[in-house]
Amino acid sequence: DGGITQSPKYLFRKEGQNVTLSCEQNLNHDAMYWYRQDPGQGLRLIYYSQIVNDFQKGDIAEGYSVSREKKESFPLTVTSAQKNPTAFYLCASSITGGNTEAFFGQGTRLTVV
Amino acid sequence: KQEVTQIPAALSVPEGENLVLNCSFTDSAIYNLQWFRQDPGKGLTSLLLIQSSQREQTSGRLNASLDKSSGRSTLYIAASQPGDSATYLCAVRRTGNQFYFGTGTSLTVIP
Repeated sequence: DGGITQSPKYLFRKEGQNVTLSCEQNLNHDAMYWYRQDPGQGLRLIYYSQIVNDFQKGDIAEGYSVSREKKESFPLTVTSAQKNPTAFYLCASSITGGNTEAFFGQGTRLTVV
Repeated sequence: KQEVTQIPAALSVPEGENLVLNCSFTDSAIYNLQWFRQDPGKGLTSLLLIQSSQREQTSGRLNASLDKSSGRSTLYIAASQPGDSATYLCAVRRTGNQFYFGTGTSLTVIP
């Protein structure tokens, strides 16, 4: 089945640690996105990539890093510089170009302990 | 910057009622508008996609309309069911392949 797979579903991080969230898609989409969702707030864009080996910062990129070495994969690293990382993280993908829709993974819940 | 607003933030209705969810956006230069459903702790499931040249789209009991000139979209749900309880989000897509999301409407359908 085609889709987007995020792992793990739940992740716990100690303060000062870096953690990496995985996002894999087999939809052959060029564009991939990372969003953060907090209670009562809309989705906020962290990073997005429109092509392999290229990515752009979104609205809240500070404390996060990404890579796009393969078309299928867009991992997100939450670094120790991110002061409030507890949130629900969503990965999405789409075809580049105007009239296309976004597809989402099932999310990763990150909690700082 | 594009801003997307959804009203109301929460809605509770008895089963069987027809209802309308609202989405407004500030910049009418969009490619399309997408409605999503999100269940607690889950990802987003696409419900309907309306291209900028279209006025409405229908899928089963769902009908979404788009008035680009006024920056508004509505999602109409007919004969609501308890299984429709979820958060509904709208998102607009514009230049740069970016999506802009509203904060969602939390719907509860009471049996």
